[in-house]
Amino acid sequence: DAGVTQSPTHLIKTRGQHVTLRCSPISGHKSVSWYQQVLGQGPQFIFQYYEKEERGRGNFPDRFSARQFPNYSSELNVNALLLGDSALYLCASSLRSLAGVRGETQYFGPGTRLLVL
Amino acid sequence: DAKTTQPPSMDCAEGRAANLPCNHSTISGNEYVYWYRQIHSQGPQYIIHGLKNNETNEMASLIITEDRKSSTLILPHATLRDTAVYYCIVRPYNTDKLIFGTGTRLQVFP
Repeated sequence: DAGVTQSPTHLIKTRGQHVTLRCSPISGHKSVSWYQQVLGQGPQFIFQYYEKEERGRGNFPDRFSARQFPNYSSELNVNALLLGDSALYLCASSLRSLAGVRGETQYFGPGTRLLVL
Repeated sequence: DAKTTQPPSMDCAEGRAANLPCNHSTISGNEYVYWYRQIHSQGPQYIIHGLKNNETNEMASLIITEDRKSSTLILPHATLRDTAVYYCIVRPYNTDKLIFGTGTRLQVFP
């Protein structure tokens, strides 16, 4: 079975540009979460979508936005890129929302490495 | 949100058991303990999770103390491919958010 897939694998942008990152969850998974991992740190939660609705948001500026499609794939959009947005962007999927549910877990994709120059 | 504390680094000889400790003294009664690992900037890989009882799967064992204030991840026979950063995470019951710390960098040597 295919795991979580993300595209592109690598991306180089310049300051002020816009970027769209894509994620396809594991087949049958309806919840997608996005994380940002800056070099040397652990991943930080950005968004969670379940059944096409935003269910959680981390401490990120409004330049970051996301959406989930009817097939449960997801896009992360970042506007007005800054040098500090350079990071590994990770997508994770789970069968359903973990909130209020015992024992579920998230499975991560390989990530998209974004470099902002 | 419950915080976790892990040693920044550990070494382990190949073939020996690797015991990775984690302190989560502020954990609440319905919060799960998760372990993930990350090999060389790939996506984090799920290892195991538990609530109160000890858990074992094909990858590892998770030992949670009776008071739930700490846990130990055990890799029974470490190999060079187990070299990675290991994250101990406490997930709040009412959210999907996984709060990662800086983890333990495990180096397995021949």
